[in-house]
Amino acid sequence: QKEVEQDPGPLSVPEGAIVSLNCTYSNSAFQYFMWYRQYSRKGPELLMYTYSSGNKEDGRFTAQVDKSSKYISLFIRDSQPSDSATYLCAMTSGTYKYIFGTGTRLKVLA
Amino acid sequence: GAVVSQHPSRVICKSGTSVKIECRSLDFQATTMFWYRQFPKQSLMLMATSNEGSKATYEQGVEKDKFLINHASLTLSTLTVTSAHPEDSSFYICSAPTGPGGNSPLHFGNGTRLTVT
Repeated sequence: QKEVEQDPGPLSVPEGAIVSLNCTYSNSAFQYFMWYRQYSRKGPELLMYTYSSGNKEDGRFTAQVDKSSKYISLFIRDSQPSDSATYLCAMTSGTYKYIFGTGTRLKVLA
Repeated sequence: GAVVSQHPSRVICKSGTSVKIECRSLDFQATTMFWYRQFPKQSLMLMATSNEGSKATYEQGVEKDKFLINHASLTLSTLTVTSAHPEDSSFYICSAPTGPGGNSPLHFGNGTRLTVT
């Protein structure tokens, strides 16, 4: 069993839809959670960084952490074609060991 | 926000030559940096952890004599692919945490696409 599971997609949605991206994990020591967006042939870009359980909102993005279920989500409201990219979740227990999901490819159709 | 600069963005070299890739943290100090390799449509594969002033830590299966890492200052780490071969062609990306303690978010460079002919 992988430490972090993420559906690879691709996930196709119409413009304006709410997108839900998810990761599950098995290590209860993870406390710090990140979401990245990666465009083709570019490095990942940090979107959200959260600590422990709860919600965090930044513009059209909301990150949600449920430690009891070992489940994290990223919601994108009013999705745009420019949101089409691969989204990676990442997490760490604070030991300089960062574990990444395999990434979900998102396509937002105009 | 924190910026990590990686150069070159693209390099083509002949088989048997060496290539150096630089990774700089522009507005923060990084005692630790990470080097990844990424194949098309696949996730990041951690190659090694670069530590300022000490030897890098390599992941299992990564040849340390082929992928030389030097972290000579708090803002610069380099990856040298020695005696490159076509199978080394890939996308290489560096990252650095923005603070100490091992829990800071990672910021990534924009990657280097290496093609070995």
